[in-house]
Amino acid sequence: GQNIDQPTEMTATEGAIVQINCTYQTSGFNGLFWYQQHAGEAPTFLSYNVLDGLEEKGRFSSFLSRSKGYSYLLLKELQMKDSASYLCAVSRSGGYQKVTFGIGTKLQVIP
Amino acid sequence: EAQVTQNPRYLITVTGKKLTVTCSQNMNHEYMSWYRQDPGLGLRQIYYSMNVEVTDKGDVPEGYKVSRKEKRNFPLILESPSPNQTSLYFCASRPGLAPRGDEQFFGPGTRLTVL
Repeated sequence: GQNIDQPTEMTATEGAIVQINCTYQTSGFNGLFWYQQHAGEAPTFLSYNVLDGLEEKGRFSSFLSRSKGYSYLLLKELQMKDSASYLCAVSRSGGYQKVTFGIGTKLQVIP
Repeated sequence: EAQVTQNPRYLITVTGKKLTVTCSQNMNHEYMSWYRQDPGLGLRQIYYSMNVEVTDKGDVPEGYKVSRKEKRNFPLILESPSPNQTSLYFCASRPGLAPRGDEQFFGPGTRLTVL
């Protein structure tokens, strides 16, 4: 089976840095997605990691360790608009299109 | 404008009354998928399609059907809806079977209530 764990909620201060962790256990791992979802809206794509290491995209970075089954999303220079849920999702082979999502981490950015 | 559209956006129906939620994308994407999102459970994949006439089950396919007769459309069919299918449904599409996962575009969602 598949298991994806991430914290349910986090709070951080505007201008700060926050790291949202995701651990997973799955067979046939292909890669790991991060999505952002504002309340009442559809998820929007942030990143997809296939290889180990850190990938940076502006204020957002995503890290993957395949051997440890671990990923994190790093958000720098937090802004109030970053208040949202952040969804970790795993892409699996044997059905490359099968994607399993974690429950999501609700991030609240406070002034 | 490149987009995924879903209709209806909101629907209240009764148990057993067949319904279809339409999904259409204008990006010529090969891959399309349906998800449901429930509090405390996150997004769960119902069905996906890798191309026309090619569909497969996701993690929670029971009670749902799909079809992919045209590349742009991927309707979700509930033959006999039940209250446990009350949920927020998202359709999504992405270009295809890239070596790296491509950006998946989500539709705006359909909030379904089955009484």
